[in-house]
Amino acid sequence: DIRMTQSPSSLSASVGDRVTITCQAGQDISHFLNWYQQKPGKAPQLLIYDASNLEDGVPSRFSGYGSGTHFTLIISGLQPEDIGTYYCQQFGLLPCTFGQGTKLEI
Amino acid sequence: QVQLEQSGAEVKKPGASVRVSCKASGYIFSNFGFTWVRQGPGQGLEWIGWISVYNGNANYAPKFKDRVVMTTDKSSDTAYMELWSLTSDDTAVYFCARDKVYSSSHPDYWGQGTLVTVSS
Repeated sequence: DIRMTQSPSSLSASVGDRVTITCQAGQDISHFLNWYQQKPGKAPQLLIYDASNLEDGVPSRFSGYGSGTHFTLIISGLQPEDIGTYYCQQFGLLPCTFGQGTKLEI
Repeated sequence: QVQLEQSGAEVKKPGASVRVSCKASGYIFSNFGFTWVRQGPGQGLEWIGWISVYNGNANYAPKFKDRVVMTTDKSSDTAYMELWSLTSDDTAVYFCARDKVYSSSHPDYWGQGTLVTVSS
């Protein structure tokens, strides 16, 4: 299985901040990476697909970059509703695997 | 609008099996597949597998492949995941998600989750 390592595991930021979350894949996965946001007690929500494509309906302050083994999720201008846990997931090689999550607090 | 409605919470004894359903509405059922993911208490997300509604092809994570089966019923637009030989480690919230018809790559709509508790 491909190991996905996210950093940091948690972070606290202020409204308006630029937030960066990184995800490292254990091997080359090309662009086969998704990012999700999950709020407590809710299902995950797809934010970014194929490493850099914004899912329909997701605010443009979210952006994704990277390919190969190194990926980043950036929130430009943090909003109060952005609190939650963020996960990366690779689907380049089965089984799909998730990072351990990054808990974001305001 | 696309909706996925999952079955209710379950309590099972060790060794038993559980079947979780996921009823879809608001789109053409056969044009997509389903991914199943679970989340243990206070834990992260774990991919269980994926099934294509179109041709029934399924891929399961090796960890589950000997005790899981995913199916779909086109007559009722419902997907199912059955897991057997349950242990306490299977206590988790199980999610279904609509995905691509040929791969687990773009789970865009999710069910609300089904809590499965395994306890003697």
